[in-house]
Amino acid sequence: DGGITQSPKYLFRKEGQNVTLSCEQNLNHDAMYWYRQDPGQGLRLIYYSQIVNDFQKGDIAEGYSVSREKKESFPLTVTSAQKNPTAFYLCASTEGPGRAYQPQHFGDGTRLSIL
Amino acid sequence: GQQLNQSPQSMFIQEGEDVSMNCTSSSIFNTWLWYKQDPGEGPVLLIALYKAGELTSNGRLTAQFGITRKDSFLNISASIPSDVGIYFCAGQLTQSNYQLIWGAGTKLIIKP
Repeated sequence: DGGITQSPKYLFRKEGQNVTLSCEQNLNHDAMYWYRQDPGQGLRLIYYSQIVNDFQKGDIAEGYSVSREKKESFPLTVTSAQKNPTAFYLCASTEGPGRAYQPQHFGDGTRLSIL
Repeated sequence: GQQLNQSPQSMFIQEGEDVSMNCTSSSIFNTWLWYKQDPGEGPVLLIALYKAGELTSNGRLTAQFGITRKDSFLNISASIPSDVGIYFCAGQLTQSNYQLIWGAGTKLIIKP
């Protein structure tokens, strides 16, 4: 089945540690996105990538980094500079440019907590 | 940044009741999307709206793209227990490059 796979489901970070969240898609989608979700709030965009080897900052990119070396993969690193990393992280993808907007499809998320 | 005002924040309903929620903005949107999120999972697309005035149904769900392009509503008829969850609206601004603006969500709870 085609879809978006996020791993791990749960992740714990120690103080001063960088952690990397995985996002893989086999939908052949061009664009991929990372969102952060906090309780009672909507989704906030961290980074997005419309094509391999290119990515753009979203609204809350500070303390995060990404790479897009392959079309199917868009890992997110939560660095030690992100002082409040506890949240639910969601990865999404879309087909990319087209005549009509292509809705984003989501993975099942990674819940990151501080030890 | 840009925001969508989604209301109500939460709803307590009896099984079988109809539900209505909406999103408004001061900005004009090119596309409106409605998603549902179950606990611990990613949002799932329910309905996509692409034209002002468009009314689209998906089973018991009906959504409309406001004629002013600044609002949208979602109705659920004859609610059932599996309707419980958080419903999000999201919109694409006319001049944006595939970024979505998200509402804060409407939490639907069925009274026992």
